[in-house]
Amino acid sequence: DAKTTQPPSMDCAEGRAANLPCNHSTISGNEYVYWYRQIHSQGPQYIIHGLKNNETNEMASLIITEDRKSSTLILPHATLRDTAVYYCIVRPYSGGYQKVTFGTGTKLQVIP
Amino acid sequence: DGGITQSPKYLFRKEGQNVTLSCEQNLNHDAMYWYRQDPGQGLRLIYYSQIVNDFQKGDIAEGYSVSREKKESFPLTVTSAQKNPTAFYLCASSTMGGTEAFFGQGTRLTVV
Repeated sequence: DAKTTQPPSMDCAEGRAANLPCNHSTISGNEYVYWYRQIHSQGPQYIIHGLKNNETNEMASLIITEDRKSSTLILPHATLRDTAVYYCIVRPYSGGYQKVTFGTGTKLQVIP
Repeated sequence: DGGITQSPKYLFRKEGQNVTLSCEQNLNHDAMYWYRQDPGQGLRLIYYSQIVNDFQKGDIAEGYSVSREKKESFPLTVTSAQKNPTAFYLCASSTMGGTEAFFGQGTRLTVV
């Protein structure tokens, strides 16, 4: 599976939009982009995923560039509870998670 | 409520003792996974199973053992052969399709 690159840390003011970038320049045509987050000392939680179109759900929006080599997760109005490590991964739509790499992600700190 | 449960949340053991971590899911997922997470690091795959009575080694299987006698259960044993067992252990499950992975809340194992 393709690997991803994320900045190690970011800060965001409470109430502002948090934009978390992810580079996945070696993504294959059948691979989706998934985002998870991990609040301290808890298990990761799924946020959103997409193939090539922009996606939005109640938690976040996912913007994928036209060439699919990068994406941005947007938390529209960050709260203190959004402070967490955010993981960007890529994987085919089928086949499980055994080849997926959850790297060190981006540690987002939401500041009051 | 469907979900994945790990127990206990905290576990202390003396060096040289084997210890078994519990993971149960009621999501009817075929695939289950065990990860290890060290401070400031990503998730490393220990073992995974895609079907009952079958499992495969992940990237860091040495010193660990698993069983999959029932679809809903995937216990992990940390043996005395594991050189540095103190870590945060996460269990996850998924379908073999494109849905998200569900993670347990983790077990923090401390070996003294």
